[in-house]
Amino acid sequence: QVQLKQSGPGLVKPSQTLSLTCAISGDSVSSNSVTWNWIRQSPSRGLEWLGRTYYRSKWTNDYAVSVKSRITINSDTSKNQFSLQLTSVTPEDTAVYYCSRSSVGRSDYWGQGTLVTVSS
Amino acid sequence: DIVMTQSPDSLAVSLGERATINCKSSQTVLYSSNNKDCLAWYQQKPGQPPKLLIYWASTRESGVPDRFSGSGSGTEFTLTISSLQAEDVAVYYCQQHYSIPLTFGGGTKVEIK
Repeated sequence: QVQLKQSGPGLVKPSQTLSLTCAISGDSVSSNSVTWNWIRQSPSRGLEWLGRTYYRSKWTNDYAVSVKSRITINSDTSKNQFSLQLTSVTPEDTAVYYCSRSSVGRSDYWGQGTLVTVSS
Repeated sequence: DIVMTQSPDSLAVSLGERATINCKSSQTVLYSSNNKDCLAWYQQKPGQPPKLLIYWASTRESGVPDRFSGSGSGTEFTLTISSLQAEDVAVYYCQQHYSIPLTFGGGTKVEIK
């Protein structure tokens, strides 16, 4: 059974960097048949896909245009996890952040969610 | 980006009655390689992440009750709950998995009348 466990701070100051980690059990971050995503949810923006990482002989990342200049998704094969970094955050980045596993684009496993509040 | 539009925003249905949720995509999500529509449906209850119900527009995820069904093609899709149960109270989302960026509909809240 695949499980995704998120960790990271729930409060980030404006202009600082939001960092979250998603630890994977029951699958491998290097799997060549799935992708690993970050999605956020807020009342104003609904469910918003932020980006993904995946391995197909080499690592590839795709990012949403709305955050492309601020986002980095990394994978750590030694710890079997992947991470999100979002720089220069503003209150608009306040949301529940989810990691997910996707098979052909649909997310079949999700992390528990992390409410991240951007406030001083 | 493909825009996903759901209707209605909310609906109230009596227990045992049918609930129907619509989703429209701004362009086709038909994947020519397998002739299937890249459309998924999720159920979200308060405090929980979304749960995958349906993918390829009509394929039920393992373990999902058969009262949930998906239909449609091209740009118009429907999620039907054939006989609403109390545990089906939730917000339902459609999502296209045809192209990046993956995009979601705005959600439909289903309540008991």
